[in-house]
Amino acid sequence: NAGVTQTPKFQVLKTGQSMTLQCAQDMNHNSMYWYRQDPGMGLRLIYYSASEGTTDKGEVPNGYNVSRLNKREFSLRLESAAPSQTSVYFCASSTDRGLSEAFFGQGTRLTVV
Amino acid sequence: SQQGEEDPQALSIQEGENATMNCSYKTSINNLQWYRQNSGRGLVHLILIRSNEREKHSGRLRVTLDTSKKSSSLLITASRAADTASYFCATGAGNNRKLIWGLGTSLAVNP
Repeated sequence: NAGVTQTPKFQVLKTGQSMTLQCAQDMNHNSMYWYRQDPGMGLRLIYYSASEGTTDKGEVPNGYNVSRLNKREFSLRLESAAPSQTSVYFCASSTDRGLSEAFFGQGTRLTVV
Repeated sequence: SQQGEEDPQALSIQEGENATMNCSYKTSINNLQWYRQNSGRGLVHLILIRSNEREKHSGRLRVTLDTSKKSSSLLITASRAADTASYFCATGAGNNRKLIWGLGTSLAVNP
């Protein structure tokens, strides 16, 4: 039972490069999320998907796009990376958004130089 | 926007002592959740308490919720070195059912 799996775990990008962070969950959860975590800022929601086929902006969506490929997978894309996007990114999933416990992946540590 | 504020920001105790962390929030909530994050790892759910509950236990964890004061506390009894981690509260609130996070309490348990 893998839970929430994120890839890659580490990535270094040059400014302007693009990349996609992958996330998959095997718990049949409806809701999936992408967060970023920065020192002193806590967890900030980038995008979420309340159910398959829907996505919505969170607190800090600028510079990111997402795709809910199917019920299991939710990817985050950086089209043109900027140093301000250096962060640790977490994918999470839950049965019911805001009303049930969330399960987190192990995180992706992204550095943009 | 942060809703939950944990207090203290950092806590250092000896193994075997109890650790208490507090979380305050601003608006009405549906539930409040506590999570643990070990260094460099993802967050792990500890306990969820609903707005109509006042106290909940899970092993060495005790969570209380006072909706009149908009606050919650997490008590870890008989702490162990393995409890060293950051602890976050998150509130589920509003019609859009957002989960809003605090900035966390960093707990160090010294052997």
